[in-house]
Amino acid sequence: DPKIIQKPKYLVAVTGSEKILICEQYLGHNAMYWYRQSAKKPLEFMFSYSYQKLMDNQTASSRFQPQSSKKNHLDLQITALKPDDSATYFCASSQDRDRGRNTEVFFGKGTRLTVV
Amino acid sequence: GDSVTQTEGQVALSEEDFLTIHCNYSASGYPALFWYVQYPGEGPQFLFRASRDKEKGSSRGFEATYDKGTTSFHLRKASVQESDSAVYYCALGAYQGGRALIFGTGTTVSVSP
Repeated sequence: DPKIIQKPKYLVAVTGSEKILICEQYLGHNAMYWYRQSAKKPLEFMFSYSYQKLMDNQTASSRFQPQSSKKNHLDLQITALKPDDSATYFCASSQDRDRGRNTEVFFGKGTRLTVV
Repeated sequence: GDSVTQTEGQVALSEEDFLTIHCNYSASGYPALFWYVQYPGEGPQFLFRASRDKEKGSSRGFEATYDKGTTSFHLRKASVQESDSAVYYCALGAYQGGRALIFGTGTTVSVSP
């Protein structure tokens, strides 16, 4: 059974639109993350959350907004979509002993976003 | 800032060949080092880690030794199988902030029977 559920698996969006990528984890972890993978920048860190609080944001654009409504949820809202946003977005989690610096980080299967 | 460099972008091997993927890092402090593997359609999966100088990490026949002197964590496997075909990522645990893992660019390994 997948422990980190990402929805949808595939997503096609029109330029300028807004989408929300869903992530739920059932590992009991307190730290959650978003990573982006594209041909240009493989596995690029975006955000980290710890106990539902934003800890680090390496995304330059405010168009990307994480949302944590529950402890085990970390959704990603993307507004004013651009073709350059096309990528696979991975949600991940870890125990929060040191926010993943020294512990295993678990990844979901990703949401593949295509912006046309 | 912290970074990881993987030298090989693609490696093509035959079964039973020896695999080496070079990984060098640049970081302040004493980061933990990791290897992750990614299969098509999947997210990266933890392979193993090492946390201190000269420590060897290993899993599924893969191994790497943390070398602080050369800032390296090279991945090796003595005899690869077709099922080892995947993308391999070296990563370091970011020492500051909440960034967690910083990944290298990945190495695509293709093993032919």
